[in-house]
Amino acid sequence: RKEVEQDPGPFNVPEGATVAFNCTYSNSASQSFFWYRQDCRKEPKLLMSVYSSGNEDGRFTAQLNRASQYISLLIRDSKLSDSATYLCVVNVVGTDKLIFGTGTRLQVFP
Amino acid sequence: EAQVTQNPRYLITVTGKKLTVTCSQNMNHEYMSWYRQDPGLGLRQIYYSMNVEVTDKGDVPEGYKVSRKEKRNFPLILESPSPNQTSLYFCASSLLGRAEKLFFGSGTQLSVL
Repeated sequence: RKEVEQDPGPFNVPEGATVAFNCTYSNSASQSFFWYRQDCRKEPKLLMSVYSSGNEDGRFTAQLNRASQYISLLIRDSKLSDSATYLCVVNVVGTDKLIFGTGTRLQVFP
Repeated sequence: EAQVTQNPRYLITVTGKKLTVTCSQNMNHEYMSWYRQDPGLGLRQIYYSMNVEVTDKGDVPEGYKVSRKEKRNFPLILESPSPNQTSLYFCASSLLGRAEKLFFGSGTQLSVL
């Protein structure tokens, strides 16, 4: 089983739609969680961190479910510019190791 | 401007010809790391460095070397490249080694023929 798993998609949604992605992780000692955004073959950029209490940044909401070992990203009112690949990143406590998921591709159409 | 600079952006080479991909950051970051990205496999860590003269293997270190003689530079060396090292490479840095503050270079697309 992969340490971090994501549905590769693509998720094809119309503008204005709400879309959600999940990311599951296998190591219960995982400590820190993040969502990165990557445009086609460009460098990943931090989108948001995921806190235990959940966090929101504009149209984006991230949540953590430790019991079921997954994190989620919700995007409301999708824009064309949201089209990208969303990477889930997990850090295991006591290590310097950062584990990247393979990404979920989102395509927003007019 | 705060940035991580990687060079070259594209590189085509032949099997066995030594090459170096340079990485430099101007943010005084302690932590630097190299990743390769392949379809279906995501980003995989090759080597990382927590500080000058301190380097450690990531998940896929075979066939690669790194050095950290200065804080700002972290070159990736392929002594004898092989076709299975054809990939998209990213250098990244952060102040504390946490993904929350990872800054990536713009990537190097390497093709080994």
